Amino acid sequence: NAGVMQNPRHLVRRRGQEARLRCSPMKGHSHVYWYRQLPEEGLKFMVYLQKENIIDESGMPKERFSAEFPKEGPSILRIQQVVRGDSAAYFCASSPTGMNTEAFFGQGTRLTVV
Amino acid sequence: AQSVTQLDSQVPVFEEAPVELRCNYSSSVSVYLFWYVQYPNQGLQLLLKYLSGSTLVKGINGFEAEFNKSQTSFHLRKPSVHISDTAEYFCAVSDPGNFNKFYFGSGTKLNVKP
Repeated sequence: NAGVMQNPRHLVRRRGQEARLRCSPMKGHSHVYWYRQLPEEGLKFMVYLQKENIIDESGMPKERFSAEFPKEGPSILRIQQVVRGDSAAYFCASSPTGMNTEAFFGQGTRLTVV
Repeated sequence: AQSVTQLDSQVPVFEEAPVELRCNYSSSVSVYLFWYVQYPNQGLQLLLKYLSGSTLVKGINGFEAEFNKSQTSFHLRKPSVHISDTAEYFCAVSDPGNFNKFYFGSGTKLNVKP
């Protein structure tokens, strides 16, 4: 059973471009969470999704950020018009239920905005 | 919202010495508690978790943690560390009103010296 797969592992974008981060949950997991880790900080919750639904987006910045988890395919975290402050590691976790006690984390996508 | 405090940002220790990494959280109600390890450029790996029951929790790689409700602490310990334990360690707490997300501490970098 493959773990949570995130790609790309590293992404470089120029200011103003769009960044798309993908997360394929573990087999059988229909709950996905996105976290952001800024340099020298802990992880901060961004959004929790279930298939085709956003359940909790209380940690998402109000502008430029969006997330989806379609019926088929991976979850996507999309950042439009990236700025230098978006440079961070973005981690995805998945769970078979809505409980984070059973969550597994991916290896993250490290976004660098130049 | 929860807050999680890891007082030590860095802990240097010699190989085979004991180590304790401290974690305090803010909530006085029932919570779930976790310790994760992050090796360089890797994702988060669960070391151990406390859900209920015995306050002493044993995890992987010889780590253990003790839940102390009165002190709202969940310190991580290992009696004898190895070079391979060099990594960053994160304490996390579940929101008591919402078990869908974690609140993470800012991390403790453990540096094991030969």
